Amino acid sequence: GQNIDQPTEMTATEGAIVQINCTYQTSGFNGLFWYQQHAGEAPTFLSYNVLDGLEEKGRFSSFLSRSKGYSYLLLKELQMKDSASYLCAVRDLLHTGGFKTIFGAGTRLFVKA
Amino acid sequence: GAVVSQHPSRVICKSGTSVKIECRSLDFQATTMFWYRQFPKKSLMLMATSNEGSKATYEQGVEKDKFLINHASLTLSTLTVTSAHPEDSSFYICSARDPASGSQRTGELFFGEGSRLTVL
Repeated sequence: GQNIDQPTEMTATEGAIVQINCTYQTSGFNGLFWYQQHAGEAPTFLSYNVLDGLEEKGRFSSFLSRSKGYSYLLLKELQMKDSASYLCAVRDLLHTGGFKTIFGAGTRLFVKA
Repeated sequence: GAVVSQHPSRVICKSGTSVKIECRSLDFQATTMFWYRQFPKKSLMLMATSNEGSKATYEQGVEKDKFLINHASLTLSTLTVTSAHPEDSSFYICSARDPASGSQRTGELFFGEGSRLTVL
């Protein structure tokens, strides 16, 4: 089966850097995603990793280590609007050839002034 | 990016009634759509994979007779919650990939706005 773990909540200061970790277990790994979700809204895509290493996109970076089943999302120069839930998600390739994306419980980030 | 639209965004119904939620891909065709359910402060739980022109694939523990999914066209999937009860109250979100965009390679999902169902 699949299992995705990430911290429940984190608090950081405006302008600082925060790292949100995610560990996963899956049988047919086919990519790891980070999504941002504000309360009451649908998730929006932030990043995608399928190979080991760091992917950088503006203030957001995501890292993947497939051998360790580990990823992190790095947010730099934090802004108040970054207060949201950050969802780690894994795409699992099924034996049927299809796939499905499974989400972790999300990490609620609070950015304080 | 691709646009997925859900309707209604909010619905309140009486216990025992059925509610239909629509999910449309507005600027692309989606052979596959995914329906998720989310409880407050919890993760998105995959309910089923909706396949155009064929039966939906339900996740373990999801009652297919309770949550009817129809994917009659390449741009529309519907989720019908039958004989709704208060425990069915939740946030339901649909999603899809856009085959014509980079999301087909990455598997990035585009989400609808979500539908908040409250069963009294």
